[in-house]
Amino acid sequence: EPEVTQTPSHQVTQMGQEVILRCVPISNHLYFYWYRQILGQKVEFLVSFYNNEISEKSEIFDDQFSVERPDGSNFTLKIRSTKLEDSAMYFCASSDLMDPQETQYFGPGTRLLVL
Amino acid sequence: GIQVEQSPPDLILQEGANSTLRCNFSDSVNNLQWFHQNPWGQLINLFYIPSGTKQNGRLSATTVATERYSLLYISSSQTTVSGVFFCAVGGMNSGGYQKVTFGIGTKLQVIP
Repeated sequence: EPEVTQTPSHQVTQMGQEVILRCVPISNHLYFYWYRQILGQKVEFLVSFYNNEISEKSEIFDDQFSVERPDGSNFTLKIRSTKLEDSAMYFCASSDLMDPQETQYFGPGTRLLVL
Repeated sequence: GIQVEQSPPDLILQEGANSTLRCNFSDSVNNLQWFHQNPWGQLINLFYIPSGTKQNGRLSATTVATERYSLLYISSSQTTVSGVFFCAVGGMNSGGYQKVTFGIGTKLQVIP
């Protein structure tokens, strides 16, 4: 069964450093998403991406964040200058244009710790 | 935006007990998913269930879309299902794109 994969599974970084979180969506999917979950809190929507552009972003997704689809398979989330409060689990998801239920398939997540 | 409420927020079950988790949502949706988050933080999709009833082992789910709620039934609970159960609903945003909103979750602990 096809699945969304994410790398790395864990990342520790120093405050102020740039991090890039990587996702490989399901191959025929065209919609991509990033979510985050701060420890002990609910999962929050960050951004959705379609046709090489952001289709929606939340108030969390400020200028420190950017997304990119650098090639035909990867979808990345970049945090330019990490802050302590960026420590969270980051989930990538993708969905199929042709799926009438528009189900989002979630990756296993990347746990980011900013020190 | 769509509001998603889950109840109860916390639940302790004796192993082998049954229980029902509820998810209420404030607007019509075109998709609803139940997830289990294990103690390592991984989100596992349990059901895609915008309407109707589905079963998967000791878990089953029913969504009544017209009344804007979904129920997750846990039967003969095992310690392995300890974790957090999330309901997530999908609807179209103003730009015509899919947006998923999560509830705050039900934290379940199954004790031997």
